Amino acid sequence: EPEVTQTPSHQVTQMGQEVILRCVPISNHLYFYWYRQILGQKVEFLVSFYNNEISEKSEIFDDQFSVERPDGSNFTLKIRSTKLEDSAMYFCASSARTDGFEAFFGQGTRLTVV
Amino acid sequence: GESVGLHLPTLSVQEGDNSIINCAYSNSASDYFIWYKQESGKGPQFIIDIRSNMDKRQGQRVTVLLNKTVKHLSLQIAATQPGDSAVYFCAENTGGFKTIFGAGTRLFVKA
Repeated sequence: EPEVTQTPSHQVTQMGQEVILRCVPISNHLYFYWYRQILGQKVEFLVSFYNNEISEKSEIFDDQFSVERPDGSNFTLKIRSTKLEDSAMYFCASSARTDGFEAFFGQGTRLTVV
Repeated sequence: GESVGLHLPTLSVQEGDNSIINCAYSNSASDYFIWYKQESGKGPQFIIDIRSNMDKRQGQRVTVLLNKTVKHLSLQIAATQPGDSAVYFCAENTGGFKTIFGAGTRLFVKA
C-alpha cells in the first residue's frame, strides 16, 4: 500500500538553528500539507501546497517557515530559526482530492528544540 | 470563528460493545467532515468522511452521523475491538485547502 514517508523520525536542534523536515508524498498525489501536533494537543494545520505554490497557510506559518518541492518526489518544510515552542510532531500529508479531501498522513517527525 | 471540539476527552468501553464519539463544530460554512484515528506514535489515519448534504454515512463497522441543525458530528464504532484503542479526531473543511482538527477523544477498549 502506498504511504507518505517522512525523515528523520526524530530531530534535535539547538534554538536558533535551521531545520529541514523531509517528506515523500504518495506518488500520484497532487496536494501536499504540513501539520504539527504539540505533545498532547490537537493536530494543527500549517500549510497546503498545490501546483508548486502555497494554496493556504495558517497564522502559525509565519516568515520563519517555508515549504518547497525541490524535485518530483520530495516535499520539505524549513524552519529558519527554531524556537523552543517549535518543538512538536510535524506531519506531512498528501491527497489526490479527486472526489474528496481524504489525506494520507506520514508517521511524523518529532522535532525537539533545546 | 473556526472551532471544532469534542464533548469527552476519554471514553472507555468493553470489548464487543458499541462506541460513540461525539464532536461539536461551530463553522456553519463547513461542508466536509472527517474522522481520523491516531494510534500512539503514528500519524492520523483516515476513517470515514461525510459531506454536509448527507446526514449519515456507513463504512466497515463505522458510521458517521451529521446533525447540521445543532452542528454535531458523531462516530459510531460497532463491536469495538482492542485494535480500536486510539485517539479519534473529528475534522472539518470548508472546501478549501485547510482542514481544522478537533481536540481528540481517547478511546480505551477493555478486554
